[in-house]
Amino acid sequence: DARVTQTPRHKVTEMGQEVTMRCQPILGHNTVFWYRQTMMQGLELLAYFRNRAPLDDSGMPKDRFSAEMPDATLATLKIQPSEPRDSAVYFCASGFLTDTQYFGPGTRLTVL
Amino acid sequence: QKEVEQDPGPLSVPEGAIVSLNCTYSNSAFQYFMWYRQYSRKGPELLMYTYSSGNKEDGRFTAQVDKSSKYISLFIRDSQPSDSATYLCAMSALGNQFYFGTGTSLTVIP
Repeated sequence: DARVTQTPRHKVTEMGQEVTMRCQPILGHNTVFWYRQTMMQGLELLAYFRNRAPLDDSGMPKDRFSAEMPDATLATLKIQPSEPRDSAVYFCASGFLTDTQYFGPGTRLTVL
Repeated sequence: QKEVEQDPGPLSVPEGAIVSLNCTYSNSAFQYFMWYRQYSRKGPELLMYTYSSGNKEDGRFTAQVDKSSKYISLFIRDSQPSDSATYLCAMSALGNQFYFGTGTSLTVIP
């Protein structure tokens, strides 16, 4: 049963600390998306990659967020420094091209 | 104007009722239409996927796409308490990003 996996599932940190979230896409998928979900804003696209190359990161605050795909089995989203307003659930999703996508279980981030 | 509009609800129906969930969109280039179900504190789960216009049925679920009206619907027949969740519509043009609705919260009362 192929699934997107994300680690950690929960993260509590203090303001100013670095946060790194990891995602393993489904084997064979060539497109990876990072989303942030809050009650107020719903699901927001932060960035997405195809064949490991960033295609769009316009939804990401560039001064503190960065996203990378070191290899085809790992995508990372980093926040440095973290702020309380970054508290949200961060989802990774993967797909082949963009006809559909499958979501991971999410990382619930709380920044105190 | 948002790319995708979806009534947030909440929607509350008795068990066994037929549920209709809808989204409208503005971009005529969208060709791929999806419905996701999201249970509380879980990730969105792909429920239905449709390419272009028409209907698609899967068990108690039917997805409809009307590209001329830029309107998509999800019907749930014989709704069950286990259908209680938030339903998100999503759409894309091939090769581009997805656009999601804000989600409709559904509660099916036993």
